[in-house]
Amino acid sequence: ETGVTQTPRHLVMGMTNKKSLKCEQHLGHNAMYWYKQSAKKPLELMFVYSLEERVENNSVPSRFSPECPNSSHLFLHLHTLQPEDSALYLCASSRGTSGRQGDTQYFGPGTRLTVL
Amino acid sequence: GDSVTQMEGPVTLSEEAFLTINCTYTATGYPSLFWYVQYPGEGLQLLLKATKADDKGSNKGFEATYRKETTSFHLEKGSVQVSDSAVYFCALRISAGGTSYGKLTFGQGTILTVHP
Repeated sequence: ETGVTQTPRHLVMGMTNKKSLKCEQHLGHNAMYWYKQSAKKPLELMFVYSLEERVENNSVPSRFSPECPNSSHLFLHLHTLQPEDSALYLCASSRGTSGRQGDTQYFGPGTRLTVL
Repeated sequence: GDSVTQMEGPVTLSEEAFLTINCTYTATGYPSLFWYVQYPGEGLQLLLKATKADDKGSNKGFEATYRKETTSFHLEKGSVQVSDSAVYFCALRISAGGTSYGKLTFGQGTILTVHP
């Protein structure tokens, strides 16, 4: 599935840096998601946006700041991260957020983040 | 709360062997069930899904049947190939009601390695 793209694919940053992750979906979906995938842990949902409005913030620290300027683009702004924030960050999109049959989530390839 | 439990990995098989990856769930409502696959260096791809009891999802030779009586959604394939080596995630999603949305809950993932 190439409908969801993420850039950059790899990112190395220091704890004092500010960087942003970008996600773009070409599927005409209305909902977008950020997930964190750490080693040996289940995928953790971070944020959900529906029609550019944030509908879920899953107790994520404020050093992660999402932005959804339109239904096709989603950003994750990063600042003063910690080494334990190193992980694969996955973006996903779906037609809606209701969980009905047509709301399957489609994932991007992820950004591998390393915090030094 | 809702949860998904997968069999512990890693699973190592020879080519053409039979594959079963067990998945059981607990849910407060009537979930849709999914299997996602993550190939090395890539994001998650939807492998198959089932939206109601007794439904069978199938794709690329993989099958899983939604068993409400045993709250299970085991993944099977009759003859695995080296190219099936990946991490497999079982997931559930409850249809949203009221102000909630259909949160996707993942299992911890099972690593499958297939040798020639």
